[in-house]
Amino acid sequence: EAGVAQSPRYKIIEKRQSVAFWCNPISGHATLYWYQQILGQGPKLLIQFQNNGVVDDSQLPKDRFSAERLKGVDSTLKIQPAKLEDSAVYLCASSLPHRGAYEQYFGPGTRLTVT
Amino acid sequence: AQSVTQLGSHVSVSEGALVLLRCNYSSSVPPYLFWYVQYPNQGLQLLLKYTSAATLVKGINGFEAEFKKSETSFHLTKPSAHMSDAAEYFCAAINNAGNMLTFGGGTRLMVKP
Repeated sequence: EAGVAQSPRYKIIEKRQSVAFWCNPISGHATLYWYQQILGQGPKLLIQFQNNGVVDDSQLPKDRFSAERLKGVDSTLKIQPAKLEDSAVYLCASSLPHRGAYEQYFGPGTRLTVT
Repeated sequence: AQSVTQLGSHVSVSEGALVLLRCNYSSSVPPYLFWYVQYPNQGLQLLLKYTSAATLVKGINGFEAEFKKSETSFHLTKPSAHMSDAAEYFCAAINNAGNMLTFGGGTRLMVKP
């Protein structure tokens, strides 16, 4: 069974530029999560989708971050414009709907460096 | 709101020595608790989880954790460290709704030969 796929694995941009990350969850996993992991800290949930609907985006900085999951499968997370403090690893995770946060599978992450 | 504290951002042990990584949670209701491991440039992998069954939970790679309600702790242990155990370890708790994980700050485990 293929795991959670993310791309790109690494991205370097200048502040005020835009960037987008892509995530393809495990087949059949209706629930998808995006986390931000700043160096030296634990992951912080940004947004949770159930199919193509948003369940929780209370910690998403909506002035610059956006995410979508149009067909209920893969998802994109966008930052526009980026700030220096957005430098982090962005992790995508997925789970079966009845398992929720009890059994999340994580992708390898995208490491973003904002200069 | 749930919070998770990991004592010690860095722990160093010798190969073959006991590994003890500390985790405390704050909640009025015993939560479901997890330990994840993260190897360099990889995502998080579930080591073990406590879901209110047995208080001593065994996980992969020889790790185990004990839930102690009186101490609000869920420390991770392994009797004998191996070089391949060097990684970052995260303790996490699930919220009451069961839809969100709150992670601790992580502990980087270093294993000396």
